[in-house]
Amino acid sequence: AQKITQTQPGMFVQEKEAVTLDCTYDTSDQSYGLFWYKQPSSGEMIFLIYQGSYDEQNATEGRYSLNFQKARKSANLVISASQLGDSAMYFCAMREEGKTDKLIFGTGTRLQVFP
Amino acid sequence: NAGVMQNPRHLVRRRGQEARLRCSPMKGHSHVYWYRQLPEEGLKFMVYLQKENIIDESGMPKERFSAEFPKEGPSILRIQQVVRGDSAAYFCASSPDSHLNYGYTFGSGTRLTVV
Repeated sequence: AQKITQTQPGMFVQEKEAVTLDCTYDTSDQSYGLFWYKQPSSGEMIFLIYQGSYDEQNATEGRYSLNFQKARKSANLVISASQLGDSAMYFCAMREEGKTDKLIFGTGTRLQVFP
Repeated sequence: NAGVMQNPRHLVRRRGQEARLRCSPMKGHSHVYWYRQLPEEGLKFMVYLQKENIIDESGMPKERFSAEFPKEGPSILRIQQVVRGDSAAYFCASSPDSHLNYGYTFGSGTRLTVV
């Protein structure tokens, strides 16, 4: 069965520094998608970045990049130049392609950015 | 161009009452997913619907929970005879096509509290 593992319950980073949030996944499918979402204290789910299993390049979106290592089944999120507003919960998720396309989420990492 | 609209934002119910959660997908989106988030946990898939059809309800509890997405109007998640363990945030997501990479848009969620 598909599974997402986020081993860091909480992370601290100083403003303007970079931080890496870990995510490993388990699937026997060849075609899948990996997502990162941000959930601030207000509660909404904000899409950050997507990586397809066949994408050869690591995905980037502004200050967010996804370090995709297929052989290791890892999809770590890198946030560069952290800002105070980045303090939030971050969830990694995987989508089974070609089936119902539902998302499977990890348990999340709480990131706190300090001045 | 309104996003996914969920209402109410907060809902308080006494044990034994019914809870009805509404989700209006983005315009042009015909796929709706419901997820539940227990406190301090990630989101868990509940049900996937298309117009007038339940496609996958593998994450729905067998009793008291039901969902619909009628031809006209919002998708409804109904919880009958609520219990304290139903207290959670319920998120709806919609997509125009289940195979698009960036297709998911989440609503802001409904926070259900059972007292």
